[in-house]
Amino acid sequence: GENVEQHPSTLSVQEGDSAVIKCTYSDSASNYFPWYKQELGKRPQLIIDIRSNVGEKKDQRIAVTLNKTAKHFSLHITETQPEDSAVYFCAAIGSYIPTFGRGTSLIVHP
Amino acid sequence: EPEVTQTPSHQVTQMGQEVILRCVPISNHLYFYWYRQILGQKVEFLVSFYNNEISEKSEIFDDQFSVERPDGSNFTLKIRSTKLEDSAMYFCASRDPGQGAMDYGYTFGSGTRLTVV
Repeated sequence: GENVEQHPSTLSVQEGDSAVIKCTYSDSASNYFPWYKQELGKRPQLIIDIRSNVGEKKDQRIAVTLNKTAKHFSLHITETQPEDSAVYFCAAIGSYIPTFGRGTSLIVHP
Repeated sequence: EPEVTQTPSHQVTQMGQEVILRCVPISNHLYFYWYRQILGQKVEFLVSFYNNEISEKSEIFDDQFSVERPDGSNFTLKIRSTKLEDSAMYFCASRDPGQGAMDYGYTFGSGTRLTVV
């Protein structure tokens, strides 16, 4: 089955800095890669996604890149704000069932 | 915006007891899922359900677990004899099938925190 590795487990940045979270996957059949933001005690919410026929996607301060050859994809958050503090999960989907990474706890210090 | 609704938000149960977690998926969705998240860990897939039957299940989803769609709106997860290690947040999710194979459109419910004591 699919295996998704996510790094780092914790990321601490100053407000205004950029944050990068990286994931690798194992199954070359995976073709859809969503990112979820989960605030404490709340449900995961989709923030951005990328499909295997796209190399990069951007939505305001958030961007995702995908390298299919290397089987890795990354989340980039620019100009971080305290409200970006949350746990971020990547996922890889090839057969309608997401395999999630272990999560990255992002802390943005004011 | 349509939501996936889960009840109860928090359930405390004695070890060995049966629990039923309830979910009301978005009305036009046809694919339903249960996930589990142990405190501080990643979200883990349990089971998917389509056309009134289980389509996929993980190793976690053993004989203690069952799912049911008893009517046109509810989707339930039953744990027959709870163990301490079943304590987790359980998320229901549903998916819209009508936007093509490349659009997965998952919506998660707000979760039920199950505490087994």
